[in-house]
Amino acid sequence: DAEITQSPRHKITETGRQVTLACHQTWNHNNMFWYRQDLGHGLRLIHYSYGVQDTNKGEVSDGYSVSRSNTEDLPLTLESAASSQTSVYFCASSGETGDEQYFGPGTRLTVT
Amino acid sequence: GQNIDQPTEMTATEGAIVQINCTYQTSGFNGLFWYQQHAGEAPTFLSYNVLDGLEEKGRFSSFLSRSKGYSYLLLKELQMKDSASYLCAVRDPSNYQLIWGAGTKLIIKP
Repeated sequence: DAEITQSPRHKITETGRQVTLACHQTWNHNNMFWYRQDLGHGLRLIHYSYGVQDTNKGEVSDGYSVSRSNTEDLPLTLESAASSQTSVYFCASSGETGDEQYFGPGTRLTVT
Repeated sequence: GQNIDQPTEMTATEGAIVQINCTYQTSGFNGLFWYQQHAGEAPTFLSYNVLDGLEEKGRFSSFLSRSKGYSYLLLKELQMKDSASYLCAVRDPSNYQLIWGAGTKLIIKP
């Protein structure tokens, strides 16, 4: 069955370190997204991609970067982790632009 | 600006019916989604409305009024497993991205 996976599921890191969160989908979807979810807030879009070599900034992109070298993967990098980036991160994908999105299980990141 | 409002928390009884409301003020509209999210898990798609009216899917129904900027999710014959957060999201026609509400936590009591 097609799926979307994220790794690691839990991560603790120190302020200032570079961190990369992995996202891999086997739906063969062109569209992929990274969100963060914090208590009291809705899901907030960090970056998104409509296909290989395409990346776009979302609402809260400062301090994050992504790259899309193939259809299946969209890794999210925190260049220099900050305590404000402690959050749960969800990766999602969709087949057609605007279609419902399928979410990965999430990565809980703690920056100390 | 973009704003989506949902009640923070609701409580209902097993076997009953509950209505979760969502109001939105956005610069554009191109459809509204409802997702369910159990604690510690990923959101999963429930329903999609782009035209006014009611969409029924088993025990769950979703209603949309575009003129009022209003939607609701209706859950019938509540079961304990329906305890979850319910997220409302509006699709922005300028970039097809979703604008999310903060979610409504639904607590089901026996």
